Amino acid sequence: GDSVTQTEGLVTLTKGLPVMLNCTYQTTYSPFLFWYVQHLNEAPKLLLKSSTDNKRTEHQGFYATLHKSSSSFHLQKSSVQLSDSALYFCALSGSLLSGSFNKLTFGAGTRLAVCP
Amino acid sequence: EAAVTQSPRNKVAVTGGKVTLSCNQTNNHNNMYWYRQDTGHGLRLIHYSYGAGSTEKGDIPDGYKASRPSQENFSLILELATPSQTSVYFCASGDALGLGGYEQYFGPGTRLTVL
Repeated sequence: GDSVTQTEGLVTLTKGLPVMLNCTYQTTYSPFLFWYVQHLNEAPKLLLKSSTDNKRTEHQGFYATLHKSSSSFHLQKSSVQLSDSALYFCALSGSLLSGSFNKLTFGAGTRLAVCP
Repeated sequence: EAAVTQSPRNKVAVTGGKVTLSCNQTNNHNNMYWYRQDTGHGLRLIHYSYGAGSTEKGDIPDGYKASRPSQENFSLILELATPSQTSVYFCASGDALGLGGYEQYFGPGTRLTVL
């Protein structure tokens, strides 16, 4: 079945520094990848999405590139802010040919803590 | 913007009691989902629905039932609540993305404590 791996449970950074949160996935079919962000005591909200190989997608200063050759969709930002402190989930949805096209498989999440 | 609401927002239940969590969406999405969130496990799918009258088992359905009486409403039912079901529960509705894949919009969550 489908799976998503986020290797870091917690990332702690000083504001102004760059960040990369790792996401790798496994699926048999052509994937749709998502990054969701969840601030404390709030609902997860969509941050980025992509299904196009080797194309960078950006939103709110965050960016990610889907690399099908390495099954990766890492989230990056060039300069983190205090307000970026949150829980970040990578998620995978399958194509119409897969049995999981209408479901999301989530990684365990990475907590980003930005310090002054 | 997509709107998913949940009630109650907080619930304390006793072991063996019945708990019903409710979800309403105004997005006119066909698909709706129930997840639970626990530290270290991320979001895990309990039940989902393709439309009114349908329910499907997700990855961790044991101990839970679901009901979809209408396009807008999707309930999660714990017939005999246990302390292991203490968690934060999220409802979501889903919108198809062209050739495949589903984007999901989440409600604010319900914090359930089973004593």
